[in-house]
Amino acid sequence: KAGVTQTPRYLIKTRGQQVTLSCSPISGHRSVSWYQQTPGQGLQFLFEYFSETQRNKGNFPGRFSGRQFSNSRSEMNVSTLELGDSALYLCASSPTLDRGVRNTEAFFGQGTRLTVV
Amino acid sequence: AQSVTQLGSHVSVSEGALVLLRCNYSSSVPPYLFWYVQYPNQGLQLLLKYTSAATLVKGINGFEAEFKKSETSFHLTKPSAHMSDAAEYFCAVSDPGYSTLTFGKGTMLLVSP
Repeated sequence: KAGVTQTPRYLIKTRGQQVTLSCSPISGHRSVSWYQQTPGQGLQFLFEYFSETQRNKGNFPGRFSGRQFSNSRSEMNVSTLELGDSALYLCASSPTLDRGVRNTEAFFGQGTRLTVV
Repeated sequence: AQSVTQLGSHVSVSEGALVLLRCNYSSSVPPYLFWYVQYPNQGLQLLLKYTSAATLVKGINGFEAEFKKSETSFHLTKPSAHMSDAAEYFCAVSDPGYSTLTFGKGTMLLVSP
């Protein structure tokens, strides 16, 4: 079974630009979550999608957005990039079926390294 | 709100020595707990998880962790360190039924020959 695939692996953007990152979850997984990892703040939750609906959101400004498609693939978008947005962005998929069902582990992709210059 | 505290941003051990990485959590409900490992420029790999079954959990690569409710701890151990264990380790907590993880700041494990 293929793992979580994130594209691209590396990205360099200029301040003020926008960027879109892509995540293909493990086949059959319906929940996709995004995390930002920086040396200063560590791993921080961005948002989670389940069946094309955002069902949980972290404490990030509105410049960060995402969506999920009917095939469970997900994209996240960051508009008006700032230097502080430089980070490793990790996507995780989970076979969680619905709230109330016992949680299982999240499977992470290798991440997209975004550098804003 | 949940939180995770990992004591020690860096831990150094010699090859063959005991590995002990500390994790304490705060949660208003019985939590699910996880340990992940991250190698440079890689994503996170699950080592082990506690989901309210046995309190002593065995994971991959010889790691294990014990859930102690009275101490709100979930420390990670390995009897004998290998050079290949050098990596960053993250403890995480979630509410049962939810996919969202709250991570600790991470502990970098350094293994010397």
